Amino acid sequence: SAVISQKPSRDICQRGTSLTIQCQVDSQVTMMFWYRQQPGQSLTLIATANQGSEATYESGFVIDKFPISRPNLTFSTLTVSNMSPEDSSIYLCSVGGQGSYEQYFGPGTRLTVT
Amino acid sequence: DQQVKQNSPSLSVQEGRISILNCDYTNSMFDYFLWYKKYPAEGPTFLISISSIKDKNEDGRFTVFLNKSAKHLSLHIVPSQPGDSAVYFCAASAWLPGNTPLVFGKGTRLSVIA
Repeated sequence: SAVISQKPSRDICQRGTSLTIQCQVDSQVTMMFWYRQQPGQSLTLIATANQGSEATYESGFVIDKFPISRPNLTFSTLTVSNMSPEDSSIYLCSVGGQGSYEQYFGPGTRLTVT
Repeated sequence: DQQVKQNSPSLSVQEGRISILNCDYTNSMFDYFLWYKKYPAEGPTFLISISSIKDKNEDGRFTVFLNKSAKHLSLHIVPSQPGDSAVYFCAASAWLPGNTPLVFGKGTRLSVIA
């Protein structure tokens, strides 16, 4: 299994500001995924990030609001831009091995927007 | 439209007894199913998965059963231990989970009482 770290683990931000979340994996992976878990809700996919190509966003999520970088096979960032209280969530990155039956998650970033 | 449904938001079980967590899905394209355990302030931890070519997969105290005709799966934990108290998420994908984003249910909170 992959070991995944995320920074920061939590943050409290002001409305209108931006926060960049980092995801680091201890091995090279092709696919990385970013999810959001709003309070009391399920995990919802934001986007899929492949190294060397633009991220693919799910319906309801746009690049201007959630820009993603994937500079290499072990690292990705997700930025939450122009934040509002509705962005208060846990943000999670995940990875899976090529051809694997499994997908592993980082510890998450708990974001509170005031 | 919820494609993966966990209709029981909570479940209480005595220590040593069997815990049965249920999950239903609507998308007949799903071929892979996963269970995750999540503690507060942590990311989801992968427990066990099953593909649609099987009807049962076992790993230690955890067994997942799949009834594809009923679009239903269940996770059995035997014997239940207090450390199993967590939120359990069912997830599904149409392709190998290592390469594909997952669709999650809303979770079931399991409380194992000593």
